[in-house]
Amino acid sequence: AQRVTQPEKLLSVFKGAPVELKCNYSYSGSPELFWYVQYSRQRLQLLLRHISRESIKGFTADLNKGETSFHLKKPFAQEEDSAMYYCALSGTGQAGTALIFGKGTTLSVSS
Amino acid sequence: AAGVIQSPRHLIKEKRETATLKCYPIPRHDTVYWYQQGPGQDPQFLISFYEKMQSDKGSIPDRFSAQQFSDYHSELNMSSLELGDSALYFCASSYSRGNTEAFFGQGTRLTVV
Repeated sequence: AQRVTQPEKLLSVFKGAPVELKCNYSYSGSPELFWYVQYSRQRLQLLLRHISRESIKGFTADLNKGETSFHLKKPFAQEEDSAMYYCALSGTGQAGTALIFGKGTTLSVSS
Repeated sequence: AAGVIQSPRHLIKEKRETATLKCYPIPRHDTVYWYQQGPGQDPQFLISFYEKMQSDKGSIPDRFSAQQFSDYHSELNMSSLELGDSALYFCASSYSRGNTEAFFGQGTRLTVV
């Protein structure tokens, strides 16, 4: 079964501290993994996708197929990073294949 | 740049009424997805369309139906509304060829009273 697990509902850190938002997935095949962010009262926005291997707003995520993980990391958290973060998975190849979201992790960064 | 447009922004309906939510994808996008996000919940996939045909189906109740029209906009029709249908309904669109990133609309907040 396809499943995305984000074990932490809330992660609260101080400004400047490192951040790691955990994501594990279950999928029989080669999925595409994403991180979406939802700032307060705003739409879901794509933050990262594993195939692009970019660093966006200082965030990085590496797909670990052995551990079936796609953890999101940032070395120094900023207050503006406070938001809800969703890890998501999509099957590859077929148009219209749904994104399956995890439950989300609320990141709260305080000074 | 044009984004995904959803209409209306807010909607209040009574139990057992019907509601129609509209989604206008980004120009040239051929795929539309509908998601339901209850209070404090993750987005749950309802249904998707590719080139006006249903592509994938999730946890969409039988009381709901959806379609994609020739201009690629999509409508989600909800009948016999229940209190539990109160949620934020997101539409997303993507282009099937090349970059498959899905872009989300602002959502329609439906409140059933």
